[in-house]
Amino acid sequence: KAGVTQTPRYLIKTRGQQVTLSCSPISGHRSVSWYQQTPGQGLQFLFEYFSETQRNKGNFPGRFSGRQFSNSRSEMNVSTLELGDSALYLCASSLPAGGPGEQYFGPGTRLTVT
Amino acid sequence: AQSVTQLDSQVPVFEEAPVELRCNYSSSVSVYLFWYVQYPNQGLQLLLKYLSGSTLVKGINGFEAEFNKSQTSFHLRKPSVHISDTAEYFCAVSEHSNYQLIWGAGTKLIIKP
Repeated sequence: KAGVTQTPRYLIKTRGQQVTLSCSPISGHRSVSWYQQTPGQGLQFLFEYFSETQRNKGNFPGRFSGRQFSNSRSEMNVSTLELGDSALYLCASSLPAGGPGEQYFGPGTRLTVT
Repeated sequence: AQSVTQLDSQVPVFEEAPVELRCNYSSSVSVYLFWYVQYPNQGLQLLLKYLSGSTLVKGINGFEAEFNKSQTSFHLRKPSVHISDTAEYFCAVSEHSNYQLIWGAGTKLIIKP
């Protein structure tokens, strides 16, 4: 089975722009979670989608949004980019009835904001 | 509220030596416990998990962890490390009622030749 894929792998944007990141989960997985990873803050949960509905949300401003499509693919969008948004954005998928913590991560999208 | 503390940001150790990476958590309810590993330029991968039963849990690549409820700890150990174990290790917990993971800050394992 193919793993979780994320596109693009690397992205450079300037302040004020917006960006959309994409995540394709493992086939059959219906839950997709997004995380932001930075050296200073570590791994922080952004949101989780299940069956096209946001099920959980972390403490991020409204500039960060996401959605999930009927095929379970997910996108996250960041509007009005700030320098502090530079980070590795990780996507993880899991089975709907999978065990707790059974998340499968993609390689991430490295976003640099200049 | 739950929290996870990984006491060491970096642990340097010689190749073939044993290692212990420490993890403590705080929670007022029963939890599930996990260790994930992140190799350079990759996403995270589940190393092992404690859900119930035996408090000693064995994972991939020769790692094991022991759940100590009285000390609220879940330390990760390996008897003999290899250069390929160079990675960042994350401890995480979730409540039984909510599978959302709460993450520690991570510990970088540095293997010295």
